[in-house]
Amino acid sequence: EVQLVESGGGLVQPGGSLRLSCAASEFTFNNFWMNWVRQAPGKGLEWVAIIKKDGTEELYADSVKGRFTISRDNAMKSLYLQMNTLRPEDTAVYYCAGGVGWLITSWGQGTLVTVSS
Amino acid sequence: EIVLTQSPGTLSLSPGERATLSCRASQNVGKNYLAWYQQKLGQAPRLLIYGASSRATGTPDRFSGRGSGTDFTLTISRLEPEDFAVFYCQQYASSPLTFGGGTKVEIK
Repeated sequence: EVQLVESGGGLVQPGGSLRLSCAASEFTFNNFWMNWVRQAPGKGLEWVAIIKKDGTEELYADSVKGRFTISRDNAMKSLYLQMNTLRPEDTAVYYCAGGVGWLITSWGQGTLVTVSS
Repeated sequence: EIVLTQSPGTLSLSPGERATLSCRASQNVGKNYLAWYQQKLGQAPRLLIYGASSRATGTPDRFSGRGSGTDFTLTISRLEPEDFAVFYCQQYASSPLTFGGGTKVEIK
């Protein structure tokens, strides 16, 4: 099982940008499709984006398309989420999550992003 | 987009009782690519069931999943104290990946 540790969360003003990172401990990181999933305070889970094992394919939720970009560096065993034009409704705990194909088998502990003035 | 509707929203039961959770999809979930996750307060979700009925590594056998097409069920045969949590179903057959709204299993 992959161990995942997110970082980069914090407080940002509406319209601002933030870059989240996720470090993986597993040496077979490049065998995993990787996702970002978020959870607003007191709410359910919302899938945000997914990236293919080799980074050649990305898919996004409509709510973030055009504003967020998922990327990965397999040599560094790292996943990223560049978030631009942030809105208050983007406030959530962001989880890095990976697995076999589109099935999520491993989750990080999450990092909190708060969008507020 | 496949919309997943979970019911009930909250289930109040006692340890030792049986829990039955429902997940209904707005359209057919191809290849039964339906998973169940458990999330305890303050923790990340954990995979319990995948492929509608296969237990993930470490999932106790009191958890079972069944169903196909648009109707899926997660059953906990006898609730243990550590089972009280929120459970989410998720489809991974088509993009966007979607989650149900969750069922909270609480101690009665």
